[in-house]
Parts: sequence; C-alpha cells; structure tokens
Amino acid sequence: AQSVTQLDSQVPVFEEAPVELRCNYSSSVSVYLFWYVQYPNQGLQLLLKYLSGSTLVKGINGFEAEFNKSQTSFHLRKPSVHISDTAEYFCAVTPISSGSARQLTFGSGTQLTVLP
Amino acid sequence: DARVTQTPRHKVTEMGQEVTMRCQPILGHNTVFWYRQTMMQGLELLAYFRNRAPLDDSGMPKDRFSAEMPDATLATLKIQPSEPRDSAVYFCASGLGRGTDTQYFGPGTRLTVL
Repeated sequence: AQSVTQLDSQVPVFEEAPVELRCNYSSSVSVYLFWYVQYPNQGLQLLLKYLSGSTLVKGINGFEAEFNKSQTSFHLRKPSVHISDTAEYFCAVTPISSGSARQLTFGSGTQLTVLP
Repeated sequence: DARVTQTPRHKVTEMGQEVTMRCQPILGHNTVFWYRQTMMQGLELLAYFRNRAPLDDSGMPKDRFSAEMPDATLATLKIQPSEPRDSAVYFCASGLGRGTDTQYFGPGTRLTVL
C-alpha cells in the first residue's frame, strides 16, 4: 500500500515570491509521482508527473518538482507565483506496474493562497 | 478540446432518495475512475473500470452504492438510499489505462443530502 503526506495544509505567499509545496510518500514498491491542481469549483488538472529519468520535472504554468528517492519526497516549486496560482495542490502516487491502470493515492492537499 | 463531462453539476436531495450521477469519459479512454472528495477524508477512490469491466470497487459502500458502465461513453454512480454523510463532491476521471497515464478529471457533481 502507498500513502502520501502533504506537510502543509495551507501556504500563504505574496505575489512574485517563490513557493515550495512539500510532499512525502511511503511505498513498499516503486511508484510514479504526480502533482495535480484544483482551481475553485473545478476538477483536478495535471501539473506534472515523474515517471523515470531526470529527477527534476518541469510542468505547466512554470511549476517544477524534484524527485528525491532517498528522502521519498517530491516537492513542488515555483520561483515566482501569480495571483492566478491560488488553488489547491494535490500530490499523488501510483505503483509502477506493467499492465492495468492503477488507482492514484492522493495526499490531503495544500491550499496555496497568493496574496497581492 | 476533449473533456470529461459530468451531470448534474449540483444535486440537492432528501435522505432516502435515489441519486444517479453520470459521467461521459473522453472518447477513446478505456479506464474510468470515480472519486469522492470531502473536507474530512480528502479524495477517496470509490471504483474504477477498464474496458467497461469493474476492476476495483473496494472503496465503495456496497450496500447503497453501485457503479456501472452501460456503454463506453457512459459511466453511472448510483446511491440508494442516500444519507446525509454521502454529501460530497463526486469526480469522474478517465484515462488510457496505463499507470503512466494522466487521469483527466471531470468538473464534479456536488451532492447535498438533507
């Protein structure tokens, strides 16, 4: 089984400041890692995912995340946030498996609020 | 721009009533997931289907919830009878059926059971 811990439930930050949203996971098998964003009253949308290769992954809207296997972390970063980045961010994992799709295990979410 | 659609977007009903939520996955996607989102529990997987067959519905209360895919373009989630604790946002997502794949989420159905 897998579990995902998002260490901060709320992160307020001023516009144009950098931000880091933390994610740690636990799994007995290797996993793929994802970050999704949920804007108010909308469904989730993929920001980025780590499958293999370079541990630094770039996503949409200027976000990037770094996979650290030894620390079982996948923190999300953006060097300069905008008001429009205000949303809830979810880290998720799924076990690496050949064959059928596997369900995502989500963290509890981090509410990012960008202040003017 | 292909999207997952869900109907209704909002549903208010009274305890004991039947509720049916519908989802149209993206054309060509063969995997459909149902999630429930609440403040207390966060995002929980209820069930998922591949090629219209249920693969896992262990997250779903079997006594009142049922999920089906009558055809490749329609997935349904039914609650009978509904209870106030079922109040949540229910999301449908679809994908191509591989672990590496993105799941594409619909806008959700916000259910309120009075």
